[in-house]
Amino acid sequence: QKEVEQDPGPLSVPEGAIVSLNCTYSNSAFQYFMWYRQYSRKGPELLMYTYSSGNKEDGRFTAQVDKSSKYISLFIRDSQPSDSATYLCAMSDDSGTYKYIFGTGTRLKVLA
Amino acid sequence: DSGVTQTPKHLITATGQRVTLRCSPRSGDLSVYWYQQSLDQGLQFLIQYYNGEERAKGNILERFSAQQFPDLHSELNLSSLELGDSALYFCASNRAETTQYFGPGTRLLVL
Repeated sequence: QKEVEQDPGPLSVPEGAIVSLNCTYSNSAFQYFMWYRQYSRKGPELLMYTYSSGNKEDGRFTAQVDKSSKYISLFIRDSQPSDSATYLCAMSDDSGTYKYIFGTGTRLKVLA
Repeated sequence: DSGVTQTPKHLITATGQRVTLRCSPRSGDLSVYWYQQSLDQGLQFLIQYYNGEERAKGNILERFSAQQFPDLHSELNLSSLELGDSALYFCASNRAETTQYFGPGTRLLVL
């Protein structure tokens, strides 16, 4: 079993839809949770960063962490064609190395 | 633009050869991380350097090595290349906080 599981998609939604992207994990030591967006042939770009449990909102993006269920989510409201990309979750523990474990990514396509 | 630079952008070479990938971190960042991204494996952590010293190791093959220089730039050396080494190689950097900023990557094709 991988430490971080993420549905690879692809996920196709109409413009304006609410998108829900999810990851599950097995390592209870994870404390830092990140979401990255990666456009084709580009480097991952940080979208959201959360420490421990709870919600965080930034514009159209909301990140949720449920440590009891070992489950994290990213919600995108009013999705736009420019949101079409691969979304990667990443996690890290408190060991001080900040070594990230990434999910395999979910491909999202927002249709105009 | 993340502020992390990587050269070259593309690299085509033959099996058995050796290549060097270069990364310059964001100004002020002491840590550099190397990742490999292939279609079937996703983004895999290879190795981390902090201020010139190796800090953490991931799934890095013995044929691969890295170092971080006094000016904090880093190089990833890949030797005895195999077809399966074809991938995107990213470096990322950060300071004390956890947020890693990624460079644009080097696309390696081994023929």
